[in-house]
Parts: sequence; C-alpha cells; structure tokens
Amino acid sequence: KAGVTQTPRYLIKTRGQQVTLSCSPISGHRSVSWYQQTPGQGLQFLFEYFSETQRNKGNFPGRFSGRQFSNSRSEMNVSTLELGDSALYLCASRGDGITSSPLHFGNGTRLTVT
Amino acid sequence: GENVEQHPSTLSVQEGDSAVIKCTYSDSASNYFPWYKQELGKRPQLIIDIRSNVGEKKDQRIAVTLNKTAKHFSLHITETQPEDSAVYFCGASYGKLTFGQGTILTVHP
Repeated sequence: KAGVTQTPRYLIKTRGQQVTLSCSPISGHRSVSWYQQTPGQGLQFLFEYFSETQRNKGNFPGRFSGRQFSNSRSEMNVSTLELGDSALYLCASRGDGITSSPLHFGNGTRLTVT
Repeated sequence: GENVEQHPSTLSVQEGDSAVIKCTYSDSASNYFPWYKQELGKRPQLIIDIRSNVGEKKDQRIAVTLNKTAKHFSLHITETQPEDSAVYFCGASYGKLTFGQGTILTVHP
C-alpha cells in the first residue's frame, strides 16, 4: 500500500503570496490532519478533515485554510504569506477516523518564505 | 484545549543504557497517547501507543506507562542503540492530537 503522499516537497515563496499544498492519504483512509513543524514550536496542529468536513481546528489565523475532496485528498492553503510561515508542513492520515487510532505521516512539504 | 509538556528537551546516553522521556497532559478527557520517532530529515513514525484503559504496554525494548490520575505518561527505552538516536514526540488526544515539544535523544557508541 502506498503511503501518504505530499506535493510538492519544496516550495519557495515571497512574502505576501499565497500557496497551496497537496496531500493524498493512504488508500482507504478518510481522515486527513495537517501539522506545522518548526524547530522552536514542534508539531503544531492545524486542522483535521474527515469525509470532506473539518472536524477539528488548531489555533492558527484564518490565513490558513484547508479542504478535503470526495476522494479524501486534501489541500491546505496559506494566503498572504509571512516570513514566520516558513516551516515543514506535514500531512497525516488515519483509516477509520477514530481519534484513538494512529496517524500515518507523509514526508512533508518544506515551505520557505523570503 | 489540550496542553502537553515533554521533558527533557535533550537526552544523551551511552549505548546500552536506558532512556526515559516523560510527558504530562492537561485534559483529563484525553484517551489516546502515542509516541512518534522522527529521524533527521524523515517523517515521524509511530513507535508505540497506549489507550486510557491500559496502564502499561511493552514492545521489545520499548515500553510506555500511563498514570491517568496524575495525567502523565512516560516512554522507556532499554538497551539503547545508536540507531535509537532521533527526536521523540509524545501526543495526547481527545479529538485532535496534540504533541509535546519533542526530545532529542542521542545514543553514544
């Protein structure tokens, strides 16, 4: 079974631009979560989608948004990029959507904002 | 919301020694506690998890203990090896999964 796939692997954007990241979960998985990883803040939860509905949301500004499609693929969008948005963005999926089941992470998208 | 504190932030041990990483959580409703290992440049991978109806779980050299009353849980690695060197994250979940800040474990040969 293929793992969680994130594209692109690397992105360089300029402050003020917007960016869209993509995540394809493991086949059959319906829950997708997004995390921001930075050296100082660890793994910060952004949001979780299950069956195309946002189920949980972290404490990030409205510039961070996401969506999930009927095939469970998910996208995350960040508008009006700031230097502090530079981070590794990790997507993770789980199969049954039960919150006490393991998350399977992708390799992440490294975003650099200049 | 849930807050997870993880200690220590760095841990250095000699090969063959034991390593212990401790986490505390704030939300008594949390019922799922996973541990992830992240090697340099790689994605986090689940190494062990425990649910709130269990006090202890072991998998070869790795064990996790949970004290629901005190709201803390710990990861124990015995007979450490250089390949155990990585960043370890604990998590607590009731709904969304919240992670601790991570522990950089270095095992010296």
